Amino acid sequence: GENVEQHPSTLSVQEGDSAVIKCTYSDSASNYFPWYKQELGKRPQLIIDIRSNVGEKKDQRIAVTLNKTAKHFSLHITETQPEDSAVYFCAAMDTGRRALTFGSGTRLQVQP
Amino acid sequence: EPEVTQTPSHQVTQMGQEVILRCVPISNHLYFYWYRQILGQKVEFLVSFYNNEISEKSEIFDDQFSVERPDGSNFTLKIRSTKLEDSAMYFCASSGQGATSNQPQHFGDGTRLSIL
Repeated sequence: GENVEQHPSTLSVQEGDSAVIKCTYSDSASNYFPWYKQELGKRPQLIIDIRSNVGEKKDQRIAVTLNKTAKHFSLHITETQPEDSAVYFCAAMDTGRRALTFGSGTRLQVQP
Repeated sequence: EPEVTQTPSHQVTQMGQEVILRCVPISNHLYFYWYRQILGQKVEFLVSFYNNEISEKSEIFDDQFSVERPDGSNFTLKIRSTKLEDSAMYFCASSGQGATSNQPQHFGDGTRLSIL
């Protein structure tokens, strides 16, 4: 089955700096890669996703890049703000399955 | 914006008892899911459900688990004989029907299940 590795496990940045979180996946059949933000005690909230037919997608301060050859994808947050502080999870989904496989999460702290 | 709703928010149950967790998916969604998250760990897939049957399940989803869509709006997860290791946050999710299988999954707020 699919296996998703996520790094780093914790990330501390100063407000205004950029943050990058990286994930690798194992199943070359995976073709859908969402990112979720989870605040303490809350639901995972979808913030951006990318499909395998594109290499990059951007939504305001958030961007995701995908390298299918290397089987890795990354989340980029620019101009970080304190409210970006949360745990971020990457995930991957196999073609033909309706099961997201999540990474282990990155705790992002944005210092004011 | 429509949301997935889950009840109860917290359930405390004695080991060995049955528990039913309830979810109301987003109204025009056709695919439903259960995930769990043990405290401090990653979210893990349990089961997906479409057209009144299970379409995919993980190795976690053994014979003590079952799912049901008893009416047009609710989607339930039943754990028959709870164990201490079933203590976790259980999330329901739903997704719409599209040209591909990769429609975004939207999560509810979860039910925290505590087994004593």
